[in-house]
Amino acid sequence: AQKVTQAQTEISVVEKEDVTLDCVYETRDTTYYLFWYKQPPSGELVFLIRRNSFDEQNEISGRYSWNFQKSTSSFNFTITASQVVDSAVYFCALSEDTSYDKVIFGPGTSLSVIP
Amino acid sequence: DAGVTQSPTHLIKTRGQQVTLRCSPKSGHDTVSWYQQALGQGPQFIFQYYEEEERQRGNFPDRFSGHQFPNYSSELNVNALLLGDSALYLCASSLRATNEKLFFGSGTQLSVL
Repeated sequence: AQKVTQAQTEISVVEKEDVTLDCVYETRDTTYYLFWYKQPPSGELVFLIRRNSFDEQNEISGRYSWNFQKSTSSFNFTITASQVVDSAVYFCALSEDTSYDKVIFGPGTSLSVIP
Repeated sequence: DAGVTQSPTHLIKTRGQQVTLRCSPKSGHDTVSWYQQALGQGPQFIFQYYEEEERQRGNFPDRFSGHQFPNYSSELNVNALLLGDSALYLCASSLRATNEKLFFGSGTQLSVL
């Protein structure tokens, strides 16, 4: 069965600090996709990144970076020099190759960036 | 280019009633998925519609049903509402042929009293 675990329920950081959000996943499939979504108070889920299971390269996009490690089934997300606008709930998610739209979400991590 | 739009934004119902939620996919998209997000939890997949048929279904009872219209818009119907059905209902759309990312709407907040 597929499962996504985000052990950190809530995190508070002071503006300009770096913060890492942890994600551990479980799947028996060899081909799968991993995602991170951001959900601001407005409720809409904002797509941040998608990574397929064959691409273990780390990725950096501005202040965001992602560390995918298949050996530990982890897909962690780091925000560098956090800003107040980063305050939101962040979801890690997983889908199978053949059921792409059936995304399994983790419970989310609520990030508060304090000015 | 309009994104995914959902209506209504908020809805209050009482136990036992029936409700219909509506979703218009992003322009050019042909697949619609529905998710339920209870307070403090991640979204849970309800079902997906493509070519006016339900293609995949999550672990939800038959009280949850849907429909997709020829213009790709979709409805989610919930019968015999329970207090536990109170949640944010999110619609997501995609273009099946490209397998690209899902685009989500802002959701419908349903409260069952």
